[in-house]
Amino acid sequence: NAGVTQTPKFQVLKTGQSMTLQCAQDMNHEYMSWYRQDPGMGLRLIHYSVGAGITDQGEVPNGYNVSRSTTEDFPLRLLSAAPSQTSVYFCASRSVDEQYFGPGTRLTVT
Amino acid sequence: GENVEQHPSTLSVQEGDSAVIKCTYSDSASNYFPWYKQELGKGPQLIIDIRSNVGEKKDQRIAVTLNKTAKHFSLHITETQPEDSAVYFCAASTGGYQKVTFGTGTKLQVIP
Repeated sequence: NAGVTQTPKFQVLKTGQSMTLQCAQDMNHEYMSWYRQDPGMGLRLIHYSVGAGITDQGEVPNGYNVSRSTTEDFPLRLLSAAPSQTSVYFCASRSVDEQYFGPGTRLTVT
Repeated sequence: GENVEQHPSTLSVQEGDSAVIKCTYSDSASNYFPWYKQELGKGPQLIIDIRSNVGEKKDQRIAVTLNKTAKHFSLHITETQPEDSAVYFCAASTGGYQKVTFGTGTKLQVIP
């Protein structure tokens, strides 16, 4: 049971570049979400999904897109990277009784 | 939107002592209050949660209390052990577990 996997673990981008952060879970959870974690600010919700084909915005959605074509996968796309998007990104999935976070992607935008 | 404040930001206790972390929330409609533990270099781990229809919940050495009137909730860890050292986050949500707002975290150090 792999739980929640995220790739890549580390990434450096130049301003204006785009990329996709991958997230997959094998627990058949309907709910998945993306957070960013910045020093001293806790985790902030970017986007979430309550099932395949359904996504919604969280607290800080600007500059990010998501899609949910399958229950297992929930990729996060950075459209045009900015230095303000330098952060650690966590994907999570959950059911009513359990929640698991991935190991995170550390992104630096120069 | 919801605002969650968490105190203290750092906490040092001797092994075997108790640790208490306190949070306040702003939206009286909040109905779900999870707590997370994050070890260095890892993602957060859900350790316990409480819903607004319950005042207290306990799981072995961990307990959470909720005071809806004062909009306070707290995490209590008894008989602390070195492996309890981590950053702990409280969170609150008005929509069940779907849109959770996190506090800023408490770094707990348990001194052997």
